[in-house]
Amino acid sequence: KNEVEQSPQNLTAQEGEFITINCSYSVGISALHWLQQHPGGGIVSLFMLSSGKKKHGRLIATINIQEKHSSLHITASHPRDSAVYICAASPISGGYNKLIFGAGTRLAVHP
Amino acid sequence: NAGVMQNPRHLVRRRGQEARLRCSPMKGHSHVYWYRQLPEEGLKFMVYLQKENIIDESGMPKERFSAEFPKEGPSILRIQQVVRGDSAAYFCASSPNRDQPQHFGDGTRLSIL
Repeated sequence: KNEVEQSPQNLTAQEGEFITINCSYSVGISALHWLQQHPGGGIVSLFMLSSGKKKHGRLIATINIQEKHSSLHITASHPRDSAVYICAASPISGGYNKLIFGAGTRLAVHP
Repeated sequence: NAGVMQNPRHLVRRRGQEARLRCSPMKGHSHVYWYRQLPEEGLKFMVYLQKENIIDESGMPKERFSAEFPKEGPSILRIQQVVRGDSAAYFCASSPNRDQPQHFGDGTRLSIL
């Protein structure tokens, strides 16, 4: 079993839909990261959070430390949101920002 | 303020050749991380460096791979005697310190003929 699990693996949505991507982890963490990888491969860091909730534009990330679970929500989805979304954990044992990655969720938003 | 710069974007090598991948961190960032993404697989940590020091290379294959981050100039990931299995996207990230979010480069796509 991977230390960081994401679901779903693939997600298709219609423009305007509310989207949720889930991430569960089994290690103790100092932080949880959400990344976005576009076709062509560049990676953008969306959020780094260790508790509660963060919001940036139409993106919201939440984390429940007790349940070792995080969610990424996209409100009013748009075709330009189509990308692979990756959850990554910074394990406490690493002592620094070493990341353990989930396998990614491939999102396709259709007009 | 330029982001993390990786070059080349694409690199083609024949089996047995050497591959050198470069990463210039963001200005003010002294922590550099290298990750590898094999085809159809997730990202995996390779090595973490600070200026002139390798802090953690636990994700590096034991042979043929090496990394450096000299006092002046970019960080270099070097792969000697490349094999087909080295074909992957190699990403570099940097941060100002170990507790801040990492900023990623666009990656180098290495293809081995």
